[in-house]
Amino acid sequence: SQQGEEDPQALSIQEGENATMNCSYKTSINNLQWYRQNSGRGLVHLILIRSNEREKHSGRLRVTLDTSKKSSSLLITASRAADTASYFCAFTGAGGTSYGKLTFGQGTILTVHP
Amino acid sequence: ETGVTQTPRHLVMGMTNKKSLKCEQHLGHNAMYWYKQSAKKPLELMFVYSLEERVENNSVPSRFSPECPNSSHLFLHLHTLQPEDSALYLCASSQDLQGAQASYGYTFGSGTRLTVV
Repeated sequence: SQQGEEDPQALSIQEGENATMNCSYKTSINNLQWYRQNSGRGLVHLILIRSNEREKHSGRLRVTLDTSKKSSSLLITASRAADTASYFCAFTGAGGTSYGKLTFGQGTILTVHP
Repeated sequence: ETGVTQTPRHLVMGMTNKKSLKCEQHLGHNAMYWYKQSAKKPLELMFVYSLEERVENNSVPSRFSPECPNSSHLFLHLHTLQPEDSALYLCASSQDLQGAQASYGYTFGSGTRLTVV
């Protein structure tokens, strides 16, 4: 399967704690992205990291990419109850496709308790 | 609102019905996509359109029929569906087919929750 795999499937933490979600993939990639989905709604793009980058920050989000291990992590610092959502990694393959088709992982359900 | 609007938000249909899902974007994007999201499964790409031309049909059964009359509108026509087709159907758009390479990724609509009875 070309899809991404995310770990853990579910994560429950207290407000103020950090949340770390991991994504692994099997192909060579051009970039890897993280999306957030509130219950039953559409996905919102959070951050994109390119294959030649190792770390990227956006506000309370920190994304790392290790292409040698074919893995990425998303860290949310100082979590808030409003961060409760499902988080998905998605990536575009490095070759074999004529366009940037996004392949998604199964997602991590994050619950932040106030 | 993300700029991608999907209607209806919820749809219940019988297996013999014909219905259509609508997606509209006024972001000036040239590529549009249909995804299916079933419980406990990753998002599945169904169709890709670029400049109103279908460039991907990901082995989707013929009971799903897409239509893209212009770059702002995308439809998914449904007929003789099965209960296992019940899912959240998500529309997305990007500036072009290389949009997934850009920092802003895809823009998704809120989806249509389809229940087939």
